[in-house]
Amino acid sequence: RKEVEQDPGPFNVPEGATVAFNCTYSNSASQSFFWYRQDCRKEPKLLMSVYSSGNEDGRFTAQLNRASQYISLLIRDSKLSDSATYLCVVISNRDDKIIFGKGTRLHILP
Amino acid sequence: DTEVTQTPKHLVMGMTNKKSLKCEQHMGHRAMYWYKQKAKKPPELMFVYSYEKLSINESVPSRFSPECPNSSLLNLHLHALQPEDSALYLCASRTGSNSPLHFGNGTRLTVT
Repeated sequence: RKEVEQDPGPFNVPEGATVAFNCTYSNSASQSFFWYRQDCRKEPKLLMSVYSSGNEDGRFTAQLNRASQYISLLIRDSKLSDSATYLCVVISNRDDKIIFGKGTRLHILP
Repeated sequence: DTEVTQTPKHLVMGMTNKKSLKCEQHMGHRAMYWYKQKAKKPPELMFVYSYEKLSINESVPSRFSPECPNSSLLNLHLHALQPEDSALYLCASRTGSNSPLHFGNGTRLTVT
């Protein structure tokens, strides 16, 4: 099993819809979790950290399920500008190793 | 605006050239990173500096040579690169363990 797995997509979603995608991780010692967005030919940008109790930032909600070892990102009322690749990042508590998922591509359709 | 600054934004170099990529951050972060990213792939770790000392070298070929002159600066010296080294080179920094990476805007390198 890969350390961090994401559905590569693409997810083609109409504008205004809600979309969610998950990221699974295999190392139970994983401690810290983040979502990044990356636009084509640009650097990854931190979207949000993922906290154990779940957290929300405007239209974005991140959740952590330690029992099933996955994190999720939910985007409500999607905008055209949300089109990007979303990268999941997991950091191990044991050795501080930073693992990137391969990313999920999201296309918001007008 | 990114708080990690990389120069140049674009670089085209021949296989016999020597060039350097530069990265600067003034956030007081003590860990700095070089990543390489190919199209449609996640960033791939190259080097980590912690408190200005090289702590991780992910078996990177010696044609890539990192340097950390001080806690705010990170360089990547390039020599005798191959066309397959063409990629987006990303610098990142972070405060410490379990904290997120902050990326610079990258240098898009083309080796001809």
